[in-house]
Amino acid sequence: GEEVAQTPKHLVRGEGQKAKLYCAPIKGHSYVFWYQQVLKNEFKFLISFQNENVFDETGMPKERFSAKCLPNSPCSLEIQATKLEDSAVYFCASSQGRLARETQYFGPGTRLLVL
Amino acid sequence: AQKITQTQPGMFVQEKEAVTLDCTYDTSDPSYGLFWYKQPSSGEMIFLIYQGSYDQQNATEGRYSLNFQKARKSANLVISASQLGDSAMYFCAMRPPSGNQFYFGTGTSLTVIP
Repeated sequence: GEEVAQTPKHLVRGEGQKAKLYCAPIKGHSYVFWYQQVLKNEFKFLISFQNENVFDETGMPKERFSAKCLPNSPCSLEIQATKLEDSAVYFCASSQGRLARETQYFGPGTRLLVL
Repeated sequence: AQKITQTQPGMFVQEKEAVTLDCTYDTSDPSYGLFWYKQPSSGEMIFLIYQGSYDQQNATEGRYSLNFQKARKSANLVISASQLGDSAMYFCAMRPPSGNQFYFGTGTSLTVIP
């Protein structure tokens, strides 16, 4: 599609429950990025993919977070055993390539609330 | 290490006036991309404007222009003829030559006063 799609828009989970977020990048874009926005102004990079391969996962808290981008399926970000501090907006972005000049286009975000 | 600094947490501007939002960055890479995004209260991230580190001219997109001063490592966003719909958070971001993640500043909240 012409826009990055993310589902669901809102997700509420009790502490310790699993959360799964989905992202469909813009058609033809090879790179997918996940960011976490906390407190409305801090963006934290989590992970990026080149097609279905992990490109950079330096930002991922690996003990509870995992992500995949499989062919012909939306990308996913899964949080096992959510914690209160996971409450944030999770943005997916995509770009055509990885040159410094290439814009990352953002989805509308998934707002996760952990109670 | 890459770092983006936005020193103005909040700004006010009168409708129809111009406003400048500051952004400074720190990088040792000679090649990089600088971007500005708008985030209205609805939450989406809207791409506004891009400036490449080797671009000789300042970028412009409609009412948005970028005051790029490479030696000072600053990339300030200028919004001309402010409109009420410009009220939003504005984020400056940098993409290094490895082309991976964006590095974001902490944003500036702009309020346009009628």
